[in-house]
Amino acid sequence: AQKITQTQPGMFVQEKEAVTLDCTYDTSDQSYGLFWYKQPSSGEMIFLIYQGSYDEQNATEGRYSLNFQKARKSANLVISASQLGDSAMYFCAMRALSNFGNEKLTFGTGTRLTIIP
Amino acid sequence: DAGVTQSPTHLIKTRGQHVTLRCSPISGHKSVSWYQQVLGQGPQFIFQYYEKEERGRGNFPDRFSARQFPNYSSELNVNALLLGDSALYLCASSLIGNPNEKLFFGSGTQLSVL
Repeated sequence: AQKITQTQPGMFVQEKEAVTLDCTYDTSDQSYGLFWYKQPSSGEMIFLIYQGSYDEQNATEGRYSLNFQKARKSANLVISASQLGDSAMYFCAMRALSNFGNEKLTFGTGTRLTIIP
Repeated sequence: DAGVTQSPTHLIKTRGQHVTLRCSPISGHKSVSWYQQVLGQGPQFIFQYYEKEERGRGNFPDRFSARQFPNYSSELNVNALLLGDSALYLCASSLIGNPNEKLFFGSGTQLSVL
């Protein structure tokens, strides 16, 4: 079984500051993938970044980076130079990679990020 | 190119009724998944279909069913609606359903059961 824990229900951050959203996970799978999605008020889940459990380097996508610490089972999302448009719900999710064709994602409960002008 | 489209966007039903939700994946995508997102929670996996065959099923009762059509669009059916079925239902698609593929989500159908 897989479990994702996001302990920050809400965060308020000043515009242009960096922000770290916490995510810890638990799984018995040896090979897995970690995802971060953004959900604005429109409801659509927008993919931000992906990290495979065997990737040696932390993933980066523009202003997004994933601080992956495998031994601590954490996969924190870092957003640099936050913008007003970053205000949204953020979900951490994971998937086992060993089961080919199974793309079930397990999500955390999310963090609501509010950027203050 | 159009993204994942879902219809209807909003729906109001009463307890005991039946509902059908529809999803059109991104052109060329063959895998479709359904998720239920209750207010204040993360999405929960319901089904995955690939090439019209069920590849995965979450922990949902038999009142929930789905199918995928030859054009890869999909329907989610829920029978005997309960108040607890009120949620945002999200559809997601991917090319071939590989575990390291990212999912593309639609904006969802907001279902309210009264």
